[in-house]
Amino acid sequence: EPEVTQTPSHQVTQMGQEVILRCVPISNHLYFYWYRQILGQKVEFLVSFYNNEISEKSEIFDDQFSVERPDGSNFTLKIRSTKLEDSAMYFCAVTSGGLETQYFGPGTRLLVL
Amino acid sequence: AQSVAQPEDQVNVAEGNPLTVKCTYSVSGNPYLFWYVQYPNRGLQFLLKYITGDNLVKGSYGFEAEFNKSQTSFHLKKPSALVSDSALYFCAVRRLEVEGGKLIFGTGTRLQVFP
Repeated sequence: EPEVTQTPSHQVTQMGQEVILRCVPISNHLYFYWYRQILGQKVEFLVSFYNNEISEKSEIFDDQFSVERPDGSNFTLKIRSTKLEDSAMYFCAVTSGGLETQYFGPGTRLLVL
Repeated sequence: AQSVAQPEDQVNVAEGNPLTVKCTYSVSGNPYLFWYVQYPNRGLQFLLKYITGDNLVKGSYGFEAEFNKSQTSFHLKKPSALVSDSALYFCAVRRLEVEGGKLIFGTGTRLQVFP
């Protein structure tokens, strides 16, 4: 199972502030994903990223969200102006091929006050 | 549209007894099915998957799952439960035809194994 780390593990921010969540896959991967899990609810897809561009995004992934992989390693999720309802656990996932298993990082718990 | 249903919020079972966690799915095209497990304050760990072939797939920690196309189900099973199996279990589906496709998750089933 490929190792995926996420930083920070926890983040507390004020409403309206920008946050950047980071995902660091250890091995080379092709596809990258962000999912989120609001406390006690199901895991929801946000966005997938392939070949340095977004391949699919959900309705949740509005203009406040952006993703990039600036240095060919870290995969980041930016929320420009956080809202209370953005409080959730955010998971990065990676896969080494289009039909391969998605492996998840440990998550970042975001709390917006 | 794709969807996954996990009809039980919680499943309780005594240690040593067999367990089943239910999952049904809906997907256009061929399904690619997964089970993940989540321990408290941890990420999602991959357990097993079905892509094609034998309907009974074996995964980590002694878990297995049976794919039933006619019933559109993919129930998770284990012959003998352990207390350490207590966790939150998620079934997920994606379309096989879409490379790198997103996972659609069920709402999760909390498994509680009592000693």
